[in-house]
Amino acid sequence: NAGVTQTPKFQVLKTGQSMTLQCAQDMNHEYMSWYRQDPGMGLRLIHYSVGAGITDQGEVPNGYNVSRSTTEDFPLRLLSAAPSQTSVYFCASSLRGHPNEKLFFGSGTQLSVL
Amino acid sequence: GESVGLHLPTLSVQEGDNSIINCAYSNSASDYFIWYKQESGKGPQFIIDIRSNMDKRQGQRVTVLLNKTVKHLSLQIAATQPGDSAVYFCAGPGFQKLVFGTGTRLLVSP
Repeated sequence: NAGVTQTPKFQVLKTGQSMTLQCAQDMNHEYMSWYRQDPGMGLRLIHYSVGAGITDQGEVPNGYNVSRSTTEDFPLRLLSAAPSQTSVYFCASSLRGHPNEKLFFGSGTQLSVL
Repeated sequence: GESVGLHLPTLSVQEGDNSIINCAYSNSASDYFIWYKQESGKGPQFIIDIRSNMDKRQGQRVTVLLNKTVKHLSLQIAATQPGDSAVYFCAGPGFQKLVFGTGTRLLVSP
């Protein structure tokens, strides 16, 4: 049972480059989300999706795009990387996305933008 | 808006001691809380959850206590082991999403 799988685990980008962080889950969860984790700031929601074809913005969406073409996959795209996007990124999923459901997290992607 | 926080950034204990990690929240209507454990280089891992119709819930070596009167919850770890070294944070329901605290780092020394 793989759960939530993220790739890559580490990435270094130059300012202005674009890239896609991959996320897949095999639990048939409707809800998927992306968080970034920065020292002293906890987990902040970037984008989320409540089902295939449906996405919405979280609290820090600027500079990121998402799409949800299948239930399993929820990639996060950085359009033009900036040093402020240096962070650890986590993908998470839950059955329906209710605030009173537990979230299952991937192992994270550590991104450095130079 | 709603907030969920933790009292201490770091807690140091001796192996075999009991650990208590605290968390406060602001929304008195919050009805569900989760504790996560995050080891270095890994994603947050679910430990235990509790709903507001309970005051206490026990798992394997862990107990969560919920005090709705003072809007406080705690995670108790019995007989703390070196493998318990990690960052622990609580999460509670916000508007359409879970809200996470910033975490307490538990350091276990032999």
